[in-house]
Amino acid sequence: SQKIEQNSEALNIQEGKTATLTCNYTNYSPAYLQWYRQDPGRGPVFLLLIRENEKEKRKERLKVTFDTTLKQSLFHITASQPADSATYLCALIKAAGNKLTFGGGTRVLVKP
Amino acid sequence: EAGVVQSPRYKIIEKKQPVAFWCNPISGHNTLYWYLQNLGQGPELLIRYENEEAVDDSQLPKDRFSAERLKGVDSTLKIQPAELGDSAVYLCASSVGGSQNIQYFGAGTRLSVL
Repeated sequence: SQKIEQNSEALNIQEGKTATLTCNYTNYSPAYLQWYRQDPGRGPVFLLLIRENEKEKRKERLKVTFDTTLKQSLFHITASQPADSATYLCALIKAAGNKLTFGGGTRVLVKP
Repeated sequence: EAGVVQSPRYKIIEKKQPVAFWCNPISGHNTLYWYLQNLGQGPELLIRYENEEAVDDSQLPKDRFSAERLKGVDSTLKIQPAELGDSAVYLCASSVGGSQNIQYFGAGTRLSVL
């Protein structure tokens, strides 16, 4: 069956360090992979999208990589700040249709 | 520009009671989604609308859940009767469609069934 896995354990990190989150998938051939941020009591907010033929995408302090051979995406937050503390969700879209399937999310806590 | 608006934000009901959630998507967004999110998990799609047509309702428990999107704008999701296991956050999202499908979410309705 299709599966999208994110580390369910919270990631505690010191301010200024780089946070790295993983998103692994099985039995899936995504055309696009998206990352969202979700704060407590709020809906997810879109951050970045990467296509299957792209290796890396950057936006300010955020970087996403996509390895279709390993079936994995890495999400990096460089120079992390306490304001980056949130849950980060990856989501995949198949080539056909536009249904978004989410992973379980990883909570990040940046300590000052 | 207003984002996706959902109401109510919180709802507490007793089991077997009916409940309804309302969503107003971003203006011009033809595609509307209802998701269910349990604590510590990602959103799970319940139903997707393209304008007023439900194009994917395969995950909607049709024995007790129903949804409508009259006139292809705002939408209502109903549960009747509610069960204890329905306690969750119900999220609405909208998008302009297209292959990349970037979605914009409302704040959600947190439902507690007692």
